[in-house]
Amino acid sequence: EDKVVQSPLSLVVHEGDTVTLNCSYEVTNFRSLLWYKQEKKAPTFLFMLTSSGIEKKSGRLSSILDKKELFSILNITATQTGDSAVYLCAKGTNAGKSTFGDGTTLTVKP
Amino acid sequence: NAGVTQTPKFRILKIGQSMTLQCTQDMNHNYMYWYRQDPGMGLKLIYYSVGAGITDKGEVPNGYNVSRSTTEDFPLRLELAAPSQTSVYFCASSPDDWNNEQFFGPGTRLTVL
Repeated sequence: EDKVVQSPLSLVVHEGDTVTLNCSYEVTNFRSLLWYKQEKKAPTFLFMLTSSGIEKKSGRLSSILDKKELFSILNITATQTGDSAVYLCAKGTNAGKSTFGDGTTLTVKP
Repeated sequence: NAGVTQTPKFRILKIGQSMTLQCTQDMNHNYMYWYRQDPGMGLKLIYYSVGAGITDKGEVPNGYNVSRSTTEDFPLRLELAAPSQTSVYFCASSPDDWNNEQFFGPGTRLTVL
């Protein structure tokens, strides 16, 4: 079975903290690593990573991929209460499918 | 563009009933997917389609069927509903197999009693 493993499962921080979310995957049929944010509704796309070592950034969020060690991290700096959500990691394959991890639930307290 | 739309938003079924969850996208995407999401879990792929007339099973296809007669529509059929099918169902689409980004519909919350 193709596995994507996220850690931690949940995280509680205070506004202003920096968080790092982890995602490891299996190499079979790998094409890309994707991050989504889910706030009690449908997931919304954050990043797609295909190359090792190249950081993708959007505001306070950034992500990087290590294809040798088969993992990715998502960093959020200066967290805000609006960052509270489930963050999903997915492995995209060359057959067009994606395998999702179980997500990390982030709670940001004021 | 409306993106990916799903109907209904909510549904309660009795054990043994059947229903069809509708999904439509207006982005001319070739790839479409059906997922279920149980509480506290990620998305599990039920079925997917790489184009009109072509469908294939995902991780958890038992108890479901799909069809893809047009590029736009990808309905999911539940036959003989069971309590284990209580879940939130998401439909998604993506342009092709080079770009794995998926666009999701708002979801259907299904309860089987």
